[in-house]
Amino acid sequence: NAGVTQTPKFQVLKTGQSMTLQCAQDMNHEYMSWYRQDPGMGLRLIHYSVGAGITDQGEVPNGYNVSRSTTEDFPLRLLSAAPSQTSVYFCASSSTGSEELFFGEGSRLTVL
Amino acid sequence: AQKITQTQPGMFVQEKEAVTLDCTYDTSDQSYGLFWYKQPSSGEMIFLIYQGSYDEQNATEGRYSLNFQKARKSANLVISASQLGDSAMYFCAMRPSYNTDKLIFGTGTRLQVFP
Repeated sequence: NAGVTQTPKFQVLKTGQSMTLQCAQDMNHEYMSWYRQDPGMGLRLIHYSVGAGITDQGEVPNGYNVSRSTTEDFPLRLLSAAPSQTSVYFCASSSTGSEELFFGEGSRLTVL
Repeated sequence: AQKITQTQPGMFVQEKEAVTLDCTYDTSDQSYGLFWYKQPSSGEMIFLIYQGSYDEQNATEGRYSLNFQKARKSANLVISASQLGDSAMYFCAMRPSYNTDKLIFGTGTRLQVFP
């Protein structure tokens, strides 16, 4: 029972480097999303998807790209990392309108 | 504006006692959902309890109950018989409409349970 799987769990980047945070779910959920968590703040929505081929911006989308080519996968891309993107990133999935959002274990990203 | 407010940055409770974590929300939608998540020091987000805006009874899950007062727009989490393992960050969150799964989170309350 894998649920929502995020990789990598830890990553250190230099300013200007690019990388992709991977997210996969095996529950056939339509809805997937990415959040970031910063100290003293709750989780904030970056991007979300309501199904394959459909993505939209959340509260803090700048500096991030997403795509959803399959139901299972929802990668988050940082094209040119900045220190302000140092954060813990969570991927989540759910069936639309369900009573629970399933979270991955989180990915801690540090940008130097 | 749609918003979740948690006014208690930190709370202390003695083991076996009950504790209430406060949460107020703001939305203009009539159909919404309220969630509580626990985040232990290991970092994962653990779902605790859910309350729909049309649910007439307060949600309960084991030692967790949600004190839902719609007119006051509050959704407080009550943990009964606290255990040392309850020490964690607790986040209140709102799904502002049944047509979306986007969640709006509060800033969290750090609960510490002492023996």
